[in-house]
Amino acid sequence: RKEVEQDPGPFNVPEGATVAFNCTYSNSASQSFFWYRQDCRKEPKLLMSVYSSGNEDGRFTAQLNRASQYISLLIRDSKLSDSATYLCVAMNRDDKIIFGKGTRLHILP
Amino acid sequence: GAVVSQHPSRVICKSGTSVKIECRSLDFQATTMFWYRQFPKKSLMLMATSNEGSKATYEQGVEKDKFLINHASLTLSTLTVTSAHPEDSSFYICSATTGILYNEQFFGPGTRLTVL
Repeated sequence: RKEVEQDPGPFNVPEGATVAFNCTYSNSASQSFFWYRQDCRKEPKLLMSVYSSGNEDGRFTAQLNRASQYISLLIRDSKLSDSATYLCVAMNRDDKIIFGKGTRLHILP
Repeated sequence: GAVVSQHPSRVICKSGTSVKIECRSLDFQATTMFWYRQFPKKSLMLMATSNEGSKATYEQGVEKDKFLINHASLTLSTLTVTSAHPEDSSFYICSATTGILYNEQFFGPGTRLTVL
């Protein structure tokens, strides 16, 4: 079983819609979680950290469910500029991070 | 925020040559740097973990003699692809962390290597 799994998509979503994707992790000892956004042929950029209490940043909401070992990302009122690949990341105690393969999102005009 | 630079951003070389890629943390000291490679439409694959002043720790399946990593100072790590071949063509990305537990990774902009 892969350590971090994501639905690769693509998710094709009309502009303005709400989209959500989940990511599961297998290592219960994982300490920290993040969502990264990666545009084509660019390096990943941190979108947001994920806390047990959930956190929201504008149109983006991230949730962590330790009992079920998954994290989620919700994007409201999607924009064309949200089109990208979203990488789920788990970090272990030794700072080693494990990336999911990413979920591709296409926002359609 | 913390800035990590990589040089060069793009390199094209002939098969058999060696290529050195530099990763620098510009405004913080990075006790640990990571090197990743990414194939088209694939996720990042961790190649090695580099700690300042010590030997790098390579992931399974990564040839240490092929991918030489040196972390000579708290702000610089280098990856040398020795005797490069076309299958080494990839996007190489470094990241750095201050080493504080749970700290986020700061990524460099990546280096695109094309071996002819």
